[in-house]
Amino acid sequence: NAGVTQTPKFRILKIGQSMTLQCTQDMNHNYMYWYRQDPGMGLKLIYYSVGAGITDKGEVPNGYNVSRSTTEDFPLRLELAAPSQTSVYFCASRPLGGMNTEAFFGQGTRLTVV
Amino acid sequence: AQTVTQSQPEMSVQEAETVTLSCTYDTSENNYYLFWYKQPPSRQMILVIRQEAYKQQNATENRFSVNFQKAAKSFSLKISDSQLGDTAMYFCAFMKRGSQGNLIFGKGTKLSVKP
Repeated sequence: NAGVTQTPKFRILKIGQSMTLQCTQDMNHNYMYWYRQDPGMGLKLIYYSVGAGITDKGEVPNGYNVSRSTTEDFPLRLELAAPSQTSVYFCASRPLGGMNTEAFFGQGTRLTVV
Repeated sequence: AQTVTQSQPEMSVQEAETVTLSCTYDTSENNYYLFWYKQPPSRQMILVIRQEAYKQQNATENRFSVNFQKAAKSFSLKISDSQLGDTAMYFCAFMKRGSQGNLIFGKGTKLSVKP
């Protein structure tokens, strides 16, 4: 049972480069989320999706884009990497039905922009 | 806007002893959920315990229990019989009912369990 899988686990980008962080889940969850975790801080929501074709901004969306073409996949796109985007990125998913259901997290992607 | 505050950046405890991690939150909502997540060095976020705000009874999960004080907006985590494997970052999180499941996290408390 794979759960939530993120790739890559580590990446170093140069300023101005672009990349896509991949996230896939095999639990048929409707809700998916992208969070970032800066050093010494809690996780902050970047974008979320309530189902295929539906996405919305979270607390810190600037510099990022997302898409949700399938239930399983929720990639996060960085178009012009900046040092402020150095962080650990977490993807999470949650099933539909009952707002107290557990969120399942991937193992994170550590991104460094130099 | 909701905020979550964890006032203890770091704590340590001897193995087999009990430790309490503090969390306070600010909200004008009446229907919400509170969570404690554990993040070991592997980075994996693991749900430890959750509390529904409408329930007065404090949640318990084996060695983990909470003290939920709704009026005081306080949500502390007690770990009994601490084990070396409890060493991790612990995050308190808030979720408003009907918010599409978006979690608001505190900054975390780094817990070290010493042998």
